[in-house]
Amino acid sequence: EPEVTQTPSHQVTQMGQEVILRCVPISNHLYFYWYRQILGQKVEFLVSFYNNEISEKSEIFDDQFSVERPDGSNFTLKIRSTKLEDSAMYFCASSELAGGIETQYFGPGTRLLVL
Amino acid sequence: GENVEQHPSTLSVQEGDSAVIKCTYSDSASNYFPWYKQELGKRPQLIIDIRSNVGEKKDQRIAVTLNKTAKHFSLHITETQPEDSAVYFCAASMSASKIIFGSGTRLSIRP
Repeated sequence: EPEVTQTPSHQVTQMGQEVILRCVPISNHLYFYWYRQILGQKVEFLVSFYNNEISEKSEIFDDQFSVERPDGSNFTLKIRSTKLEDSAMYFCASSELAGGIETQYFGPGTRLLVL
Repeated sequence: GENVEQHPSTLSVQEGDSAVIKCTYSDSASNYFPWYKQELGKRPQLIIDIRSNVGEKKDQRIAVTLNKTAKHFSLHITETQPEDSAVYFCAASMSASKIIFGSGTRLSIRP
């Protein structure tokens, strides 16, 4: 069964550094998402992406965040200047258009630790 | 925007008994309600979902109900087993849109 994949599984970085988190959505899916989950808390929406542009973003997704689909398979989240509070698990998700309502499938996550 | 409330935050049931988790949502435009199970350190896994044109859906030991008028939906797990122990998240969404998650319920199954 196809799955969303993410790399790296873990990333440790210094505050102020840039990080790029990578995702490979399921191949026939059209909608892509990033979520984050701070340890012990709920999953929070960051951004959705369709047709090569952002379709929606949350208040968390400020100017230090950006997303890109650099080729036909990868979907990336860049954090330009990481802060301590960016430490979290970041999940990528994808969905296909099915009857107008899409089921989102999550990747295994990247655990980001900012020191 | 949409807000999803979930309770209880923790739930402990005897193996074989039933577990019920309840959620409410605020935005009447939400039309899709998935439930995710998350084991420690793992991804959220979709276990069942319900669309707004359906009042109830069942899949083996898991069932979900939706009351659109009251904006309530709930998850029922019958004949619980040790492997049901996990954190369960309810969520609400509109078509092709973000999923708004509840705060989660940590379910523990006592042997």
